[in-house]
Amino acid sequence: AQSVTQLGSHVSVSEGALVLLRCNYSSSVPPYLFWYVQYPNQGLQLLLKYTSAATLVKGINGFEAEFKKSETSFHLTKPSAHMSDAAEYFCAVSDRGSSNTGKLIFGQGTTLQVKP
Amino acid sequence: GAGVSQSPSNKVTEKGKDVELRCDPISGHTALYWYRQSLGQGLEFLIYFQGNSAPDKSGLPSDRFSAERTGGSVSTLTIQRTQQEDSAVYLCASARGQGSYEQYFGPGTRLTVT
Repeated sequence: AQSVTQLGSHVSVSEGALVLLRCNYSSSVPPYLFWYVQYPNQGLQLLLKYTSAATLVKGINGFEAEFKKSETSFHLTKPSAHMSDAAEYFCAVSDRGSSNTGKLIFGQGTTLQVKP
Repeated sequence: GAGVSQSPSNKVTEKGKDVELRCDPISGHTALYWYRQSLGQGLEFLIYFQGNSAPDKSGLPSDRFSAERTGGSVSTLTIQRTQQEDSAVYLCASARGQGSYEQYFGPGTRLTVT
């Protein structure tokens, strides 16, 4: 079975500060990993994904994430936070079991607050 | 091109009534997923359609929930005899295929059962 754990349901940073959102996964097969962002009253938008190519993945809006197999982690970072980054962020792992449906198993989400 | 659309955007219904939620995927996307987002349970997978294959219904919480996908395009999620615990945002997503393909999400339908 696959699962995702996001450490910290709320993270608060100052504008211009480093953003670090933590995600750890559990998977018996090489995982496909995703970060999605959700703005209020909107659907989810893909920030970036890891599918076994480069371990450092760059996404939209200046975000990036590094896949670390030894730590079973896929933390999301951004060097300098903008006010517009305030949103809820979800880490997800794709089902790669025998059915290989691609259904996403999500973490509980982290709400990012950016203070001026 | 248009993204994934869902209707209605909001639905308020009385306990015990049936509701239908609609999803229009991106044209040409063969994979379609339904998820539910609620305060207590977070984001949960409900059901998956891929082309003409039998759907994966493993995430449906009870037999009051069902879904169909007609002509490989539009999908309808039906909840019979709604309960208050069914109150949630129901999200639909489509993808070009299964596996590593990006899923594109619609804006969701917010269902409130009173």
